[in-house]
Amino acid sequence: QKEVEQNSGPLSVPEGAIASLNCTYSDRGSQSFFWYRQYSGKSPELIMSIYSNGDKEDGRFTAQLNKASQYVSLLIRDSQPSDSATYLCAVNNQAGTALIFGKGTTLSVSS
Amino acid sequence: GAVVSQHPSWVICKSGTSVKIECRSLDFQATTMFWYRQFPKQSLMLMATSNEGSKATYEQGVEKDKFLINHASLTLSTLTVTSAHPEDSSFYICSAREGGGYGYTFGSGTRLTVV
Repeated sequence: QKEVEQNSGPLSVPEGAIASLNCTYSDRGSQSFFWYRQYSGKSPELIMSIYSNGDKEDGRFTAQLNKASQYVSLLIRDSQPSDSATYLCAVNNQAGTALIFGKGTTLSVSS
Repeated sequence: GAVVSQHPSWVICKSGTSVKIECRSLDFQATTMFWYRQFPKQSLMLMATSNEGSKATYEQGVEKDKFLINHASLTLSTLTVTSAHPEDSSFYICSAREGGGYGYTFGSGTRLTVV
C-alpha cells in the first residue's frame, strides 16, 4: 500500500530559526514531490515542488529530495509566526496521476 | 496562474438528503480532476479520480453509489453526496490538473455538515 509518512509534531521553533520538516514515501515509482501549507479550515496551498534528487531553493524555503532513501524534506529559514500551519508532504502515485498526502506536520513559530 | 473555483464553500443539510458540490477550472482545461475528503486533524484522503468523459475511478473503501462524480466537461466536475448522514460531515476538496501538466490546483474546499 502506498504510504507517505510524516511526523505529526507539533514542531515548535522560535522566530528566526530554521524549521526542518521530513517525509518518507513507500512507492519507489513516484516521480513528483510536493510540499503544501494548510491553515486551519483552508485548502492546501503549494509551497514547493521537486522532481530531481538534490536541493531546490525558493526564497526562505529549500526542498531536498533523495530518491534512493525515499526521503524528501523542507527547510524553512528565518521562520516567522505566519509560517505556523500544517505542512503536508504529497507524492504522486506510480501512474503519475493522483497525489497521495501524508498526515502533515504542525509547525508552531513563537515570537 | 491556474484557478479552480469550488462551490459552495459550506453547506448544512438534513440527514437523508443529497448535496452537490461543483468544481470548475476557470482558466485551463482540466483533463483530470480529483476529489479528496479531510476529517478534522487528518490528512487529505483521495476519494476518486475522474477524467473528462470517463467514469470516475474510486479509491478502495469509497462507495461509488454514495459519492457520485460527474466530469462531463473539461472545466467542470461535480461530486454529489447522496443520502447524506452525519458521518459524511467533512471537508471536501477538489483538485484539477491540466492535460500533460505536472501541477495540481486545489479548490477552496467545501465544509459539509449533515444534521
